[in-house]
Amino acid sequence: DQQVKQNSPSLSVQEGRISILNCDYTNSMFDYFLWYKKYPAEGPTFLISISSIKDKNEDGRFTVFLNKSAKHLSLHIVPSQPGDSAVYFCAAKWEGSNYKLTFGKGTLLTVNP
Amino acid sequence: GAGVSQSPRYKVAKRGQDVALRCDPISGHVSLFWYQQALGQGPEFLTYFQNEAQLDKSGLPSDRFFAERPEGSVSTLKIQRTQQEDSAVYLCASSLPLLGILPPYNEQFFGPGTRLTVL
Repeated sequence: DQQVKQNSPSLSVQEGRISILNCDYTNSMFDYFLWYKKYPAEGPTFLISISSIKDKNEDGRFTVFLNKSAKHLSLHIVPSQPGDSAVYFCAAKWEGSNYKLTFGKGTLLTVNP
Repeated sequence: GAGVSQSPRYKVAKRGQDVALRCDPISGHVSLFWYQQALGQGPEFLTYFQNEAQLDKSGLPSDRFFAERPEGSVSTLKIQRTQQEDSAVYLCASSLPLLGILPPYNEQFFGPGTRLTVL
């Protein structure tokens, strides 16, 4: 039973364009959401997060949007760069815990020069 | 500026063998986590330590899995009598402890993982 779903296994975009990665969740008890980025043979690294009391958080080229009623969040990367090519994981934290994360399966983003 | 390190990076075991995977967290990080990432899946929580205390082991899939952190720094994940379904990347992460109510979450810093293949 996947509580955090990333339905697109892969995404390919042109350098300079916008990348939009999507994530859906089923558990309304999640209160904090994170995006992690992973390069091959490395561990995931934290990218950006958002609390459930907000609907948008921006950090440079990266913006995360949260639609609580739809149980949907998205990560926007503008402009996309070849170095952004990686697997992106969406993760969610349950409000009853301050550490336990539930991850999606990931989306492989390829940014073509 | 050392990050989280894990060893070995790759481990091949024959079914039925015992394996031990090591994690060196970032210095000063009292919280330590183990995750299992099967092929094509996201990381799944296994267990959580605060210093030497194992506060949550709800994600350990069976009693063949055992984790310890005896001195509150280095941790070892041991898998006894390995099975083919244990093949995965085992990730270790560390973080600072949660102080008070805010922030709601302390960033977890991940190591590169150990890829375990059970034949």
